[in-house]
Amino acid sequence: RKEVEQDPGPFNVPEGATVAFNCTYSNSASQSFFWYRQDCRKEPKLLMSVYSSGNEDGRFTAQLNRASQYISLLIRDSKLSDSATYLCVVNRGTGNQFYFGTGTSLTVIP
Amino acid sequence: DTGVSQDPRHKITKRGQNVTFRCDPISEHNRLYWYRQTLGQGPEFLTYFQNEAQLEKSRLLSDRFSAERPKGSFSTLEIQRTEQGDSAMYLCASSLVRQETQYFGPGTRLLVL
Repeated sequence: RKEVEQDPGPFNVPEGATVAFNCTYSNSASQSFFWYRQDCRKEPKLLMSVYSSGNEDGRFTAQLNRASQYISLLIRDSKLSDSATYLCVVNRGTGNQFYFGTGTSLTVIP
Repeated sequence: DTGVSQDPRHKITKRGQNVTFRCDPISEHNRLYWYRQTLGQGPEFLTYFQNEAQLEKSRLLSDRFSAERPKGSFSTLEIQRTEQGDSAMYLCASSLVRQETQYFGPGTRLLVL
């Protein structure tokens, strides 16, 4: 089983829509969680860390459910500039390996 | 620009040749990571350094791959006897010890013919 699994999409949504991505992880001992954004043919960039209590940054909200071992990302009021691949990242906490999901592709349509 | 830099940005080589990539992390970043990314996949961990010490290597990293960080600053990744399956984007990232945020370089895109 993969360490991190994501629905690859693609998700095609109109501007202004709300879209949610989920990601599951296999190791219950995982300690740190992140969402990264990767634009086409560019490097990944940190979007936000995911905290146990959930956290929000403007139009973006991240949630962690440890019992079900999943992480979610909610994007409200989608903009054209949100079009990208969103990568779910998990760190087990033992050692320092970061496991990336395959990414979920989002296209926001005018 | 004080971000992570990688050189070269693109490399085309013939099967069986050796290639070497360089990564310059953000200065004062102790940790340096190498990843490989193929089309439609997320970055796959290869190895990681803390200062000059190589602390972890992926089981997927064959003995044709070697990485160094001799002075705890820049790092090199060498692939010997390249195979077509090595074609990928090779990403370098760096971070501070006390922070988990990784900053990625632009990557080196390798094509093995």
